[in-house]
Amino acid sequence: ELKVEQNPLFLSMQEGKNYTIYCNYSTTSDRLYWYRQDPGKSLESLFVLLSNGAVKQEGRLMASLDTKARLSTLHITAAVHDLSATYFCAVDETSGSRLTFGEGTQLTVNP
Amino acid sequence: DAMVIQNPRYQVTQFGKPVTLSCSQTLNHNVMYWYQQKSSQAPKLLFHYYDKDFNNEADTPDNFQSRRPNTSFCFLDIRSPGLGDAAMYLCATSKGQAAGTRQFFGPGTRLTVL
Repeated sequence: ELKVEQNPLFLSMQEGKNYTIYCNYSTTSDRLYWYRQDPGKSLESLFVLLSNGAVKQEGRLMASLDTKARLSTLHITAAVHDLSATYFCAVDETSGSRLTFGEGTQLTVNP
Repeated sequence: DAMVIQNPRYQVTQFGKPVTLSCSQTLNHNVMYWYQQKSSQAPKLLFHYYDKDFNNEADTPDNFQSRRPNTSFCFLDIRSPGLGDAAMYLCATSKGQAAGTRQFFGPGTRLTVL
């Protein structure tokens, strides 16, 4: 059974600081997704990572994938309050696009 | 704008009273998914349709059924809701299922069971 684990589960940080969220998974896969969810809202796709060494950046967020270590990271640079949300990674271990999600990291950025 | 729409956004039902949740999409995507997300938990895939082919997850309870009458619409039927079925239900769509295909999520229906 595929397991996807994120850490930390809760992250409180100050504006302007940097931090990294980690996503570990238990199977060989080169298809890793990051989503953002605001409270009471749906999921917004952030990044799709499809190969070892893939790196994607959007604004203050940068995601990377190391398939050998079965690890993806979501790096936050100079955090701002608007980044406060829950971030999920998800792994697709088959060709059928069936996603298994991590537990989510609840990020709070304080002024 | 092309989008995934879910109705209703909030649904209250009584214990054991059947309920149907609706999802429609204007993206013309051939794959539609239903996820269950309980409070402070990750979304969990219940089933999906690839065109008309229904694919049930092994651990989805029999209490949950789905219908897809056409490309645009998909329904989630909960035959006898229990208190443990209270959750946010998310519909998602994708164009095919090739590696890296993004899923687009609707706003969700929050189900309360009294």
